[in-house]
Amino acid sequence: EVRLVESGGGLVQPGRSLRLSCAASGFTFDDYAMHWVRQAPGKGLEWVSGIGWNSGSIGYADSVKGRFIISRDNAKNSLYLQMNSLRPEDTALYYCAKDKRLGYSTIDYWGQGTLVTVSS
Amino acid sequence: DIQMTQSPSSLSASVGDRVTITCRASQGISKYLAWYQQKPGKVPKLLIYAASTLQSGVPSRFSGSGSGTDFTLTISSLQPEDVATYYCQKYNSVPLTFGPGTKVDIK
Repeated sequence: EVRLVESGGGLVQPGRSLRLSCAASGFTFDDYAMHWVRQAPGKGLEWVSGIGWNSGSIGYADSVKGRFIISRDNAKNSLYLQMNSLRPEDTALYYCAKDKRLGYSTIDYWGQGTLVTVSS
Repeated sequence: DIQMTQSPSSLSASVGDRVTITCRASQGISKYLAWYQQKPGKVPKLLIYAASTLQSGVPSRFSGSGSGTDFTLTISSLQPEDVATYYCQKYNSVPLTFGPGTKVDIK
């Protein structure tokens, strides 16, 4: 059974940093690309960032480019999102998500999400 | 960047009705289009990928069509359990943009 468990969310002041983690199990982690997708309260889905199976391909939404860094550790079956210079508009539920393929395609499994609240 | 739009933003239909949701890309994306269903309080679920391929386990009343810039998701006979918000997503290139969503409920 595929499991994706996010952690690291919380309340943070504007301008500060936060690091999200995602522990994956139930599949061969380094066979798939991975993503972070967020959803602000009462709003739609926003793709944040994706990383290919070997970290050779990395992409970001314009809204986070230059502030967020995605990474993965295939030896630890883990995905990370380093979030710097946080803004109130970054407040959202952040989902870790598994791609169907090595490179970017569609998302077939989602974690339950970790809530990030940016407020003073 | 390619923008994704959906119409309508919401709809209300009766059980058994045929429901169609439209997704439009601002530039051609071939068939690199997926549809997701998100029920209230739940995580999204992949319904369709490659514009028309049904994900394993998804009921056959769901179908997708289209290519290039115009796509549709059809529910052939709406069921109470289909109450949800439906999102399209393009994945031909980054960013993997989602549409704004279409909220479907029962009349």
